[in-house]
Amino acid sequence: QQQVKQSPQSLIVQKGGISIINCAYENTAFDYFPWYQQFPGKGPALLIAIRPDVSEKKEGRFTISFNKSAKQFSLHIMDSQPGDSATYFCAASKEGETSGSRLTFGEGTQLTVNP
Amino acid sequence: DGGITQSPKYLFRKEGQNVTLSCEQNLNHDAMYWYRQDPGQGLRLIYYSQIVNDFQKGDIAEGYSVSREKKESFPLTVTSAQKNPTAFYLCASTPLAGVGNEQFFGPGTRLTVL
Repeated sequence: QQQVKQSPQSLIVQKGGISIINCAYENTAFDYFPWYQQFPGKGPALLIAIRPDVSEKKEGRFTISFNKSAKQFSLHIMDSQPGDSATYFCAASKEGETSGSRLTFGEGTQLTVNP
Repeated sequence: DGGITQSPKYLFRKEGQNVTLSCEQNLNHDAMYWYRQDPGQGLRLIYYSQIVNDFQKGDIAEGYSVSREKKESFPLTVTSAQKNPTAFYLCASTPLAGVGNEQFFGPGTRLTVL
């Protein structure tokens, strides 16, 4: 059962534009929502994360918006740059469960920023 | 230079052969994970381990085996029972204590079955 659904599968944006990637989850017990960035041939790296006690978190050009009632969260990349071209994964987990930090990942979005 | 190392970077295997992928971390992390990545399917959890000599199956454990004899090492064996083993394999680790649940990933091993 897919517990985190991510869209779109691919996204093409012009330099300077806004990239928006959306995720929806099913398990209301999830309480940690990170976004990972992956470049080709590399492992993913944490980009930004949010907990459900806030509706938005911003770090530089990257912002997570969180809607607890809709069970949705999204990543916004402002002033997108060609160097942002990568695959982005949303994920979710329940802190404190016996499995430790077991993350459930979305399917990924391949972002291309054209110069 | 702390981090997670995976070896080899590329691995080729003939059908019917078992193969072991290495994962080592010097971050003193308690928990370690193995994921499989296929195009369009995200990361799927194979096995994870919270402490030495203990591990649990993830979502797609069939055809795989692991061991956790040392805190810093979590090798994955892809057995001949795995029907479609060609994929990109990622190892990750995280401390059990602390806030954030951030998982740190290695560079991955690309396995190709010939």
